[in-house]
Parts: sequence; C-alpha cells; structure tokens
Amino acid sequence: EVQLVESGGGLVQPGGSLRVSCAASGFTFSNYEMNWVRQAPGKGLEWISYISGYGPTIYYADSVKGRFTISRDNAKKSLDLQMDSLRAEDTAVYYCVRVAANLFNYFDYWGQGALVTVSS
Amino acid sequence: EIVLTQSPGTLSLSPGERATLSCRASQNVSSTYLVWYQQKPGQAPRLLIYGASTRATGIPDRFTGSGSGTEFTLTINRLEPEDFAVYYCQQYGRSPPKYIFGQGTKLEIK
Repeated sequence: EVQLVESGGGLVQPGGSLRVSCAASGFTFSNYEMNWVRQAPGKGLEWISYISGYGPTIYYADSVKGRFTISRDNAKKSLDLQMDSLRAEDTAVYYCVRVAANLFNYFDYWGQGALVTVSS
Repeated sequence: EIVLTQSPGTLSLSPGERATLSCRASQNVSSTYLVWYQQKPGQAPRLLIYGASTRATGIPDRFTGSGSGTEFTLTINRLEPEDFAVYYCQQYGRSPPKYIFGQGTKLEIK
C-alpha cells in the first residue's frame, strides 16, 4: 500500500525556518517524481515545488523561489522541504504528493498533510 | 500563464440531482493534463478524473469528465451524500513546468 506521511510541521515566527519531511512507503520511491502542494486555511490548493526521481530537476513556484528548498533521499525514501524566511502567508497545510508514472502528469497519492503556522 | 477559473463557486443541490461543474482555462490547454480532484473537510484531495475524462481507480461511474480546449466539465449524476465536497480542476503547464489549480467549487447540500 502506498503511503506518504508528513512530519515536522509546527509554529514558527516570521523570518524563521522550518523543515517538513515526508516518509514514503509501498512503492519504489526513486522511480517517481514528487511535489509539495500547500493549502492555506480555508483556501484552495497551491503547487509549490517539484523534484524529479533522482533529484537533478527541481522547480519552484514564484511565491517560494529563493526561500524554500526541496530535496529527496532515495535510500531513505524521504522527501524534504526546507522553508526559510517564513512569512505569515506561508501558513498552510503542506502536502507531499506523488506524480503518477504515466504520461498524464497527475497527483495520484497525497499525504495527510503537515500544518505550518507562521506567527509571532 | 494559464489561469483556471471554476464555476460556480458554490453549488447547492439535493441528493439524487445532477451536478455540473465548470473549469475554464485562460488559453487552450491539453486535455491530457486536465485533472479533477475531490476534497472533503479535514482530508487530503483525492484523484477523480485524469486526462479530462478517465476515471481514476475506484471512482464510481456517476462521475464523468468531459471537455477540450478551454472548457472542461465535471458532471456528477445522482448525487450521493458522500459527494458533497470541494472539487478542484488542475492543469500541468510545460513552460515553465508547473501545476495549476482552479480555485475550487464547493458542492453543498441544499
């Protein structure tokens, strides 16, 4: 069974840093592209970052470029998001999502999410 | 840059009725990359439809996706109580690569 389990959310002050992680199981992690998607309280979904299966290809949304860093460890089957220079508008649930291994480029599995709150 | 606009923002219907949800793209997009998700309160989104019209595994056939170009539709026939949720459309854009979501349609019980 495919499982994505996020951890590391919490309360952080504006300007601070936080790292959220995603532990993957039930599939060959290195074969899959992964992403982070976030959802502010009561708002819609926002894609924020992509990483290819072996990590050489990375993309970010403009809203987080230069502040967030995505990475993966295929040996440990983990996906990370390092968030620096956090702002109040970064408050959201952060989802780890897998891209289906076909031509259609959709998110076939989602984690349960990790809540990040940026507040003083 | 592609923008996806979903309408209506909120749709109030009764169980047994048919729901028609719209997703309009600001420019022609590939049907291959048009996706629909369902999200219930406190839960992660769930894949419903990909390739504009292909139901994901386990999705009942009362869910139908259609459309092309700039206009896409999610139709839910014979609404069941568990169908009341928020629905998002999504498009994968190549230049630059990114995943774009519509703002969502809330389907609520009338």
